[in-house]
Parts: sequence; structure tokens; C-alpha cells
Amino acid sequence: AQSVAQPEDQVNVAEGNPLTVKCTYSVSGNPYLFWYVQYPNRGLQFLLKYITGDNLVKGSYGFEAEFNKSQTSFHLKKPSALVSDSALYFCAVRDSGRRALTFGSGTRLQVQP
Amino acid sequence: AAGVIQSPRHLIKEKRETATLKCYPIPRHDTVYWYQQGPGQDPQFLISFYEKMQSDKGSIPDRFSAQQFSDYHSELNMSSLELGDSALYFCASSPGGNGEQYFGPGTRLTVT
Repeated sequence: AQSVAQPEDQVNVAEGNPLTVKCTYSVSGNPYLFWYVQYPNRGLQFLLKYITGDNLVKGSYGFEAEFNKSQTSFHLKKPSALVSDSALYFCAVRDSGRRALTFGSGTRLQVQP
Repeated sequence: AAGVIQSPRHLIKEKRETATLKCYPIPRHDTVYWYQQGPGQDPQFLISFYEKMQSDKGSIPDRFSAQQFSDYHSELNMSSLELGDSALYFCASSPGGNGEQYFGPGTRLTVT
């Protein structure tokens, strides 16, 4: 069975500061890892994915994520946070094939001006 | 660029009624997924279809059924609705086995 843990319910950061949203995963076989963002009353928007290759993955809106196999982590990062980044962030995992995503519980990011 | 389309966007039903949710995937995407997101919850996988065949099944109640049609659109049929079925229902589509899933805006179902 696959699972995802997002240990922080909320992350607060000042605008202009770097941000990190944590994610650890458990999956049999090679992991396929994703980050999605959800704004209020909206659908989930894809940010980035790791399938294979470089451990540092760059995505939309200046976000990036670092895959660490030994720590089974896939933390989301951004060098300089914007107030407009405030939203709910979900980490998700699946194994290979046309398989469903398993989501973490979500982390609410609050960027203060 | 075309996105996943879901209809209706909002639906209010009474207990024991039925509901049908529709999903139109992005063109040339061959896989459709349905997820349920309860208030304050993460999305939970219900069911998926690849090339009009059920490909994976999650925590879908027996009261629910789904299918994918020849034009690749999918419908989620929900019967004997319960108050606990009130949730946001997302459809997602992907272009292949390793592709990311693109989510629609969701259908907010309220059961009274």
C-alpha cells in the first residue's frame, strides 16, 4: 500500500522568505511523486512531478521539489514566497502504471505580507 | 489549452435521491479518475477508467457506479444519497501511465 505524510497542517512564512512544505512517502517499487495546489473552492492544480532523473525538479510558479530516496522525502520549496502562494498544498504518490494518486492530508501555506 | 470539464458545478439533492455527475477529459487523454473530497479532507480515489474499461477501484460505495463512454466522457452515478455523500467530486484525466493527472474544477454535491 502506498501512503503520504505531510507532517505540518500549516506553514507560515513572510513574503520574500524561502518556504518549504514537507512530504514523506511510502510506496512499493519506484515512486511517482506529485505536488498539487488548491485554492479555495477550486480544483487541484498540478505543480510538478518526479518520475525519474534529477533529484531536483522544477515546476510551475517558481516552485521546485527535492527527491531524497534515502529519506523517502519530496519536499516542496520556493526561494522567495509571494502572498499569492497562500493556498492548500497536497503531496501525492503512486506506483507505476495508470494508477490512482494517494494524497497527503494537505498543508496550508500562509504567506504574510 | 483545453481543461477537464465537469458538470454540474453545484448540485443539491435530498437524502435517498440519485445524482449523476459528468466529466469530459482533456482531448487525447486516455484515462479518467474520480475522487471525492470531503470537507477539510484530502481527495480520496473512487474509480478510474482506461480506454472505456474500469482500470482501478478505490473506496467507491456500492451505491455508486461509473462508466466511460465511447467519446471518453465519464459519468458517476450515485443512488440512495446520504448526508455523508456531501463533498466535492473531482474528475481528473491523464495522457498515459506516467502522466500527471489534470483535475477538473469539481462538482460540489450537497445532500440535505
